[in-house]
Amino acid sequence: EAGVAQSPRYKIIEKRQSVAFWCNPISGHATLYWYQQILGQGPKLLIQFQNNGVVDDSQLPKDRFSAERLKGVDSTLKIQPAKLEDSAVYLCASSWTSGSSDTQYFGPGTRLTVL
Amino acid sequence: AQTVTQSQPEMSVQEAETVTLSCTYDTSESDYYLFWYKQPPSRQMILVIRQEAYKQQNATENRFSVNFQKAAKSFSLKISDSQLGDAAMYFCAYRTASGYSGGGADGLTFGKGTHLIIQP
Repeated sequence: EAGVAQSPRYKIIEKRQSVAFWCNPISGHATLYWYQQILGQGPKLLIQFQNNGVVDDSQLPKDRFSAERLKGVDSTLKIQPAKLEDSAVYLCASSWTSGSSDTQYFGPGTRLTVL
Repeated sequence: AQTVTQSQPEMSVQEAETVTLSCTYDTSESDYYLFWYKQPPSRQMILVIRQEAYKQQNATENRFSVNFQKAAKSFSLKISDSQLGDAAMYFCAYRTASGYSGGGADGLTFGKGTHLIIQP
């Protein structure tokens, strides 16, 4: 079974530029999560999707971050414009469904450096 | 809001020895899940072990076991017969069990992690 795929693995941009990350969850997984992991800290949830609907985006900085999962499969996370403090690893995770005991499986992450 | 605290930024253990990583959490919920995840330098977060709060029996997975003290809100991880491949960051995480009734919101809340070093 293929795992959670993410691309790119690394991205370096200047502040005020835009950037987008892509995630492909495990086949059949209805729930998809985006986490932000700043160096030296644990991951922090940004947004959770159930199929193509948003379940929780309470910690997403909506003035600059956006995310979509149009067909209920792949997802894209965008930052526009980027700030220095957005430098972090962005992790995508998926599970069969939400509100259950299902395990969340993580992708390898995208390391973003904002200069 | 729930919080997870890992008070040991770094731990070191000799190969083949036993080490215990500490985790405490704060919640007002009675039903929830607790996890230990391992993150090697490659960054892929891997589930090590999970515990359902309603279960009194401590979870075990081969060399990994937990000591779950619900009243104390403590959830420690014991690694027996440590191996070089166990070297990684270890994160304790909390997940509500009321996600279904709450619209499905059940993202993980992580601690800051413990860096485990294995001495050969």
